[in-house]
Amino acid sequence: SQQGEEDPQALSIQEGENATMNCSYKTSINNLQWYRQNSGRGLVHLILIRSNEREKHSGRLRVTLDTSKKSSSLLITASRAADTASYFCATDDTGGGNKLTFGTGTQLKVEL
Amino acid sequence: GAVVSQHPSWVICKSGTSVKIECRSLDFQATTMFWYRQFPKQSLMLMATSNEGSKATYEQGVEKDKFLINHASLTLSTLTVTSAHPEDSSFYICSAVTGGAGNQPQHFGDGTRLSIL
Repeated sequence: SQQGEEDPQALSIQEGENATMNCSYKTSINNLQWYRQNSGRGLVHLILIRSNEREKHSGRLRVTLDTSKKSSSLLITASRAADTASYFCATDDTGGGNKLTFGTGTQLKVEL
Repeated sequence: GAVVSQHPSWVICKSGTSVKIECRSLDFQATTMFWYRQFPKQSLMLMATSNEGSKATYEQGVEKDKFLINHASLTLSTLTVTSAHPEDSSFYICSAVTGGAGNQPQHFGDGTRLSIL
């Protein structure tokens, strides 16, 4: 399977600023999911957006999905130092049997 | 809820040793578990899909005789790296999903860092 691509690869911002990460993929999907990974740890699920949804919110997170462009974005508002982590998008591809295809990831650093 | 425990978290062993990694769903029954491999600063690559009571499905390029997967119960899957060599050194992560309909997130363990000397 082909990985999706995320940009930017790395992002450094000041605490309180917003962080936006973008994800592009190549296939038809059932849903797209965003995960966070702290260094040396497993992944934590953040949000799942279905293919028939265009926008979803969860706390300080806002996710958009444009299936015509095969792209998604994750916005973290009012960032905190604790948001420092790697963020991955992952697609549940149609006919993929619940398997996820992960993007290349964005390393976010939030500085005090 | 939806806690996945992975053990051990860190293994250092000599070349030629076989290493077993356990993945347990603590508070739910996992009909399907997934095993991933991650190299430093890279994304997760799916190695295999494990369904309870049946043989694992391996991704292209993953040697099934090298990476033995057993999913004997609804709460436990194991990955055994047989005759491990330095090139098998990596971060291995498992995840689990509950049964039923799709559109569900995967719940991840904390990973196992394997270092082969």
